[in-house]
Amino acid sequence: GEQVEQRPPHLSVREGDSAVITCTYTDPNSYYFFWYKQEPGASLQLLMKVFSSTEINEGQGFTVLLNKKDKRLSLNLTAAHPGDSAAYFCAVGASSSFSKLVFGQGTSLSVVP
Amino acid sequence: NTKITQSPRYLILGRANKSLECEQHLGHNAMYWYKQSAEKPPELMFLYNLKQLIRNETVPSRFIPECPDSSKLLLHISAVDPEDSAVYFCASSHGTANSDYTFGSGTRLLVI
Repeated sequence: GEQVEQRPPHLSVREGDSAVITCTYTDPNSYYFFWYKQEPGASLQLLMKVFSSTEINEGQGFTVLLNKKDKRLSLNLTAAHPGDSAAYFCAVGASSSFSKLVFGQGTSLSVVP
Repeated sequence: NTKITQSPRYLILGRANKSLECEQHLGHNAMYWYKQSAEKPPELMFLYNLKQLIRNETVPSRFIPECPDSSKLLLHISAVDPEDSAVYFCASSHGTANSDYTFGSGTRLLVI
């Protein structure tokens, strides 16, 4: 079955610096890719979903890059601020109906002033 | 998050029986139970679509799901074990398993 590896498990950056989190996956049939943010004691908040190959998607303060050839998904927070401190999870799913979403192990991001 | 509500928010149990409840107001067809242990990612327990149980992952038999209608999901827990201490999230999606998920706020279960 699908295996998703997320790195790094912990990341500390200074305010204004960039932070990059990367996931690699194994199933070539994977089609749906998500990034979630989870603040302490809170639920999962969808940051972005991507479906296409080698796609760059820009959100508010972050960029998501998907490279299906390398089976790699990355989240780049371009100018981190303390409000970005949280756990981040990637999630990967196949295109077949009712296939399950597989999450990466998570990255605990700390942004220090 | 009023779109998908879970109750209770917090639950402390000895070896008792309890039910977790979830209701979604989004008109979604698929509903899920996920378990998130401390410092771990969420893991799928059960998936329902249109009230039918579609996926049942490797979950101890003391966890019994129920879907009384397409907007409600229950998780009955009997004789809990300390390893069951976790946050249990309900989620829903419009169509197939990999449409946009909406997660509930979770029920934090502590087994003492």
